[in-house]
Order: sequence, then structure tokens, then C-alpha cells
Amino acid sequence: KAGVTQTPRYLIKTRGQQVTLSCSPISGHRSVSWYQQTPGQGLQFLFEYFSETQRNKGNFPGRFSGRQFSNSRSEMNVSTLELGDSALYLCASSFTGSSIYEQYFGPGTRLTVT
Amino acid sequence: SQKIEQNSEALNIQEGKTATLTCNYTNYSPAYLQWYRQDPGRGPVFLLLIRENEKEKRKERLKVTFDTTLKQSLFHITASQPADSATYLCPYPYYKLSFGAGTTVTVRA
Repeated sequence: KAGVTQTPRYLIKTRGQQVTLSCSPISGHRSVSWYQQTPGQGLQFLFEYFSETQRNKGNFPGRFSGRQFSNSRSEMNVSTLELGDSALYLCASSFTGSSIYEQYFGPGTRLTVT
Repeated sequence: SQKIEQNSEALNIQEGKTATLTCNYTNYSPAYLQWYRQDPGRGPVFLLLIRENEKEKRKERLKVTFDTTLKQSLFHITASQPADSATYLCPYPYYKLSFGAGTTVTVRA
């Protein structure tokens, strides 16, 4: 079974621009969660989608948004980029939205904002 | 407030020895705990899940215990190898998994 894929793997943007990241979950998984990881920091939860609905949301500003499509693929958008948005963005899929199920992470998208 | 803490940020160990990591929880009784491994620049990889009614779980050289009396989970890497060097995470399981900084293990050859 193919793992979680994320595109693009690397991205360089300038302040003020917007960016869209994509995540394809493992086949059959309906939950997709997004995390931000900055150097030396733990994973910060952004949001979780399940069956095209946002079920949980972390403490990030409204510039961060996402959506999920009927095939469970998910996109994350960051508008008006700031230098502090430079990070590794990870998505994870799981069979259900319950945290009792293990999460499978993608390789991440490394975003650099200049 | 409810929280889970890992006992140390870094652990250095000689190859062949057993590495033991601790995850303590307070004001909270999780029904299960998960352990993940993360290598630099990569996403975490799920290793083991242990439920509160399971005292011990094993996977190859990995062993996890769950002591609900001590409110603690121990994660052991036996016969450690340099390839085991990574950050190990014990996320807080609520409606979502909350990850801390984890414990960075370095195995010296």
C-alpha cells in the first residue's frame, strides 16, 4: 500500500505571497491532519479533516486554512506569508478521526519564506 | 492541567546497551499511548501503541510498558545500534495527538 505523499517537497516563497500544499493519504484513510514543525520545536497541530469536514483546529491564525476533497486528498493554504511561516509542514493520515489510531506521516513539505 | 511529559530531551548511550525513555502523564489517565520515531527533516514514524489493559508490548528490539499506577510508560530499545539514533515521541492522545519535543537518542558506536 502506498504511503502518504506530499507535494511539493520543497518550496521557496517571498513574504506576502500565498502557498498551497497538497497531501494524498493512504488509500482507505479518511482522516488527514496537518502539522507545522519549526527548528527545535515539536509538531504543532494545525487542523484535521475527516470526510471533507474540518473536525479539529489548532491555535493558528486564519491565514492558515485547509480543505479535503471527496477522495480524501487534502490541501493546506497559507495566505500572506510571513518569515515565521518557514517550517516543515507535515500531513498525517489515519483510518478514522480518532487519535486511538496510529497516524502515518508523509515526508513533509519544506517551506522557506524569504 | 492534563499533560504528558518525556523524562529528558536527550539520551546518549553506547552501542549494544539498552536505552530507556520515559513518558509521564499527570491529571490524566489515557486509555492508550503511542510511540513514534522521527529522524531529522522527516515525518514521524509510528512504532507502537499500548492500551491501558496491556502491561507490555514488543516489536523486534523495542518494548513498551504501561503502568497506570505510576502513570508512566517506558520505552526500551534493546541492543541499541547507531541506526536507532533519532527523536522518540510520546504524543498526548486526546481528540487529537499533541506532540512534544520528544527525547533525542544518540547511540555511540
